[in-house]
Amino acid sequence: GPKVLQIPSHQIIDMGQMVTLNCDPVSNHLYFYWYKQILGQQMEFLVNFYNGKVMEKSKLFKDQFSVERPDGSYFTLKIQPTALEDSAVYFCASSLPGRYAEQFFGPGTRLTVL
Amino acid sequence: EQQVQQSPASLVLQEAENAELQCSFSIFTNQVQWFYQRPGGRLVSLLYNPSGTKQSGRLTSTTVIKERRSSLHISSSQITDSGTYLCAMDLTNSAGNKLTFGIGTRVLVRP
Repeated sequence: GPKVLQIPSHQIIDMGQMVTLNCDPVSNHLYFYWYKQILGQQMEFLVNFYNGKVMEKSKLFKDQFSVERPDGSYFTLKIQPTALEDSAVYFCASSLPGRYAEQFFGPGTRLTVL
Repeated sequence: EQQVQQSPASLVLQEAENAELQCSFSIFTNQVQWFYQRPGGRLVSLLYNPSGTKQSGRLTSTTVIKERRSSLHISSSQITDSGTYLCAMDLTNSAGNKLTFGIGTRVLVRP
C-alpha cells in the first residue's frame, strides 16, 4: 500500500537544541498530520496541515512547535527549543482530501532529549 | 473519560487460537482504523473500516456505527501476531481529520 517515510528513525539531542523531524508523505496526499506517543502511553494527535496552513492543533502542540511543507518537499515538525518532555515517538501521517479519509502512517521518529 | 475504549486490556493466546478485540467509542463517527504496533513501536495499518465487515488475510473487522463499536477478529493466531492492537477514529466535527486512539489491547501469542 501507500507508504509514508520518516527521517531520521532515531534522534538524540540535548535539551534546548532545535530539532527537525522529516516526513515524506504519500505523493498525491494533501492532508498531513503529526501524532505523538510517549513511551508506554497513548498515541495523541498534535496537528493537521492542509494547503500550507495548520487547520487544527491540540494542547500538546506547544508554541515551540512549528510545521511546514515548503515547495511540496518534506512535511516537517520543528521543535525549538526542545524540552525533556518532548522525548517521544513522533508519527507522521497523510491522507487524501475529504472528511473521514483513511490516514496512512509512517514508522515514526524516536526523539530522545537529554 | 476515555473517548475510545478498548477491551480486553491484554490477552494471552496459544498459537492457532482465535481472538476477538473490541473497541467502543463515545460518539458517532464514520472513520475507524485498526493498527498494530510492534514492541519496538513501529505502527502498521491493518484495516480501515468505517462500517460493515472488512477482511484482510487472517484479520476481520466489523464496525457497527449505530452501536458505536468495532471489533477485530484474529484467526489462527501466530507468534508474530504478538504486539499491541490499537483502534482509532475521528470523533470531531471539524474539517480537518483528527484521529483519537484507544490505549490498545496487548496481545501475547505463546507457542
